[in-house]
Amino acid sequence: GENVEQHPSTLSVQEGDSAVIKCTYSDSASNYFPWYKQELGKRPQLIIDIRSNVGEKKDQRIAVTLNKTAKHFSLHITETQPEDSAVYFCAAFLGSASKIIFGSGTRLSIRP
Amino acid sequence: KAGVTQTPRYLIKTRGQQVTLSCSPISGHRSVSWYQQTPGQGLQFLFEYFSETQRNKGNFPGRFSGRQFSNSRSEMNVSTLELGDSALYLCASSPGGKRTDTQYFGPGTRLTVL
Repeated sequence: GENVEQHPSTLSVQEGDSAVIKCTYSDSASNYFPWYKQELGKRPQLIIDIRSNVGEKKDQRIAVTLNKTAKHFSLHITETQPEDSAVYFCAAFLGSASKIIFGSGTRLSIRP
Repeated sequence: KAGVTQTPRYLIKTRGQQVTLSCSPISGHRSVSWYQQTPGQGLQFLFEYFSETQRNKGNFPGRFSGRQFSNSRSEMNVSTLELGDSALYLCASSPGGKRTDTQYFGPGTRLTVL
């Protein structure tokens, strides 16, 4: 099916702590998984992506892990900072449908 | 390179009217995708155009249509507007050679239907 589920819908963490957002997909032919960050009133921007031939990718404080067997992938943000506050969207390229489907978003708030 | 641009940025229409939104992709990008963003539904895929041809479409009624010109600029049209069409409409461009190319979003057009 054409479905990407994202959890949680809202997340509040203390500044300096880690945040984890999880997504699951249903199409076993999915092979590309980008993550977008959308700050209030701004356009979504790609922050990291992973392809199905790797299990993990890191970029400074951000990392994404992929479990193809379980069909889920996660975004990990370490040492969170106030500027990390935003809505985060996961997405999956559905190979069977040749299109990218987005999750419903996670609103991340960083408490000072 | 200049980023993706969308016009107009804001639009107010009444039910039953029709509207046309425009998207200019990054220079050299040949694929343009359109999304509808609403608070409750997140980002919903409308359609994708590549080299003036619709390459894929989402699950929206026929009132939503689009096209792409030879310079890769794209327009989407919504006819017979309904209150539920109020949303932020985003377009995204990518080089287009691969379906998994990174997409770059425009700032969006906020449509309000009264």
